[in-house]
Amino acid sequence: QVQLVQSGAEVKKPGSSVKVSCKASGGTFSSYAISWVRQAPGQGLEWMGGIIPIFGTANYAQKFQGRVTITADKSTSTAYMELSSLRSEDTAVFYCARNAGWLQLNDAFDIWGQGTMVTVSS
Amino acid sequence: DIQMTQSPSTLSAFVGDTVTITCRASQSISDLLAWYQQKPGKAPKLLIYKASTLQSEVSSRFSGSGSGTEFTLTISSLQPDDFATYFCQQYSTYSTFGGGTKVEIK
Repeated sequence: QVQLVQSGAEVKKPGSSVKVSCKASGGTFSSYAISWVRQAPGQGLEWMGGIIPIFGTANYAQKFQGRVTITADKSTSTAYMELSSLRSEDTAVFYCARNAGWLQLNDAFDIWGQGTMVTVSS
Repeated sequence: DIQMTQSPSTLSAFVGDTVTITCRASQSISDLLAWYQQKPGKAPKLLIYKASTLQSEVSSRFSGSGSGTEFTLTISSLQPDDFATYFCQQYSTYSTFGGGTKVEIK
């Protein structure tokens, strides 16, 4: 069974960047898209973007375009999400999630990471 | 962008009740809709995809229906473990989530 394990909590200064990792184990990595979802405290879910590792090209939500970079390393079955120009409103839990369909970025998310809390504070 | 409007935002119910949550898309998404359950401090859990298909190992007390722009999630015979927040998600064009429905114990 595929599991996604994310890196640990981060505390960042406004204006800096954060890079969160998501390592897959127990199954095929390259042929399933990995998406990143943000959840601010007490708020809903926002899709930030995703990548199909075998293709290597990421797609981003318009809201985050220019500020987020999603990459994948097939050799280590790890996806990364880097968010730059951090502001206090970016304080949130960031989840990686696997899109259920083979080679599909537009799909439901059947497997989720445990979440990474990122706190942005001066 | 496709907007998803979910209602109600909060719902109070007794154990044993049947409850319905509605999700409306700003344009037709066919049946490309999923429902998730989320408990505090945990990642969301996929319940239903393709509007009405139950994810493996999810209780049959959960059911989904709808197509186009109107969708519903029904939970029958509410159990204590069902009190949580529920989100819909369209995946017709990338992904957009509804605002969530918190199901509380009455």
